[in-house]
Amino acid sequence: RKEVEQDPGPFNVPEGATVAFNCTYSNSASQSFFWYRQDCRKEPKLLMSVYSSGNEDGRFTAQLNRASQYISLLIRDSKLSDSATYLCVVSSIKAAGNKLTFGGGTRVLVKP
Amino acid sequence: EAQVTQNPRYLITVTGKKLTVTCSQNMNHEYMSWYRQDPGLGLRQIYYSMNVEVTDKGDVPEGYKVSRKEKRNFPLILESPSPNQTSLYFCASSVEETQYFGPGTRLLVL
Repeated sequence: RKEVEQDPGPFNVPEGATVAFNCTYSNSASQSFFWYRQDCRKEPKLLMSVYSSGNEDGRFTAQLNRASQYISLLIRDSKLSDSATYLCVVSSIKAAGNKLTFGGGTRVLVKP
Repeated sequence: EAQVTQNPRYLITVTGKKLTVTCSQNMNHEYMSWYRQDPGLGLRQIYYSMNVEVTDKGDVPEGYKVSRKEKRNFPLILESPSPNQTSLYFCASSVEETQYFGPGTRLLVL
């Protein structure tokens, strides 16, 4: 089983609609959680951190469910520019420092 | 402008011909790392460095070497490239747990 798993998609979303997807992680000792966005053939960029109480940044809402070991990302009022691959990242404490593990990404396609 | 740069951006080479991909950051970050990204496998860490002269293996270090002689530079060395090292490579530097990635290097080993 992979440490961090995501549905690869693609999620085809009409412009203006809401889309949500999850990421599951296997290490119950994981400490920190993030969503990164990666455009085609470009480098990943931090979208948002995920806090225990959940957090919102504009149209984006991230949630953490420690009991079930998953995080989620919800995008409201989808824009064409939201088309990208969303990478889930989980941080775990190791002897040599925190280790980040990336999921394979969920591809989102927003269509007019 | 704060950034991570990588060179070359694209490289086609042949099996066994040593190559180096350079990585440089201007943010004075202590932590730097190299990843490779392959379809269906996501980003996998090759090597990382917590500071000058401190490097350690990531998840997929076989066939790669790194060095960290200066804080800003973290080159990735393939002593004898093989076709299974064909991939998209990203260098990253980080502060706390936020990773700043370079633009990527597409490597094709024939």
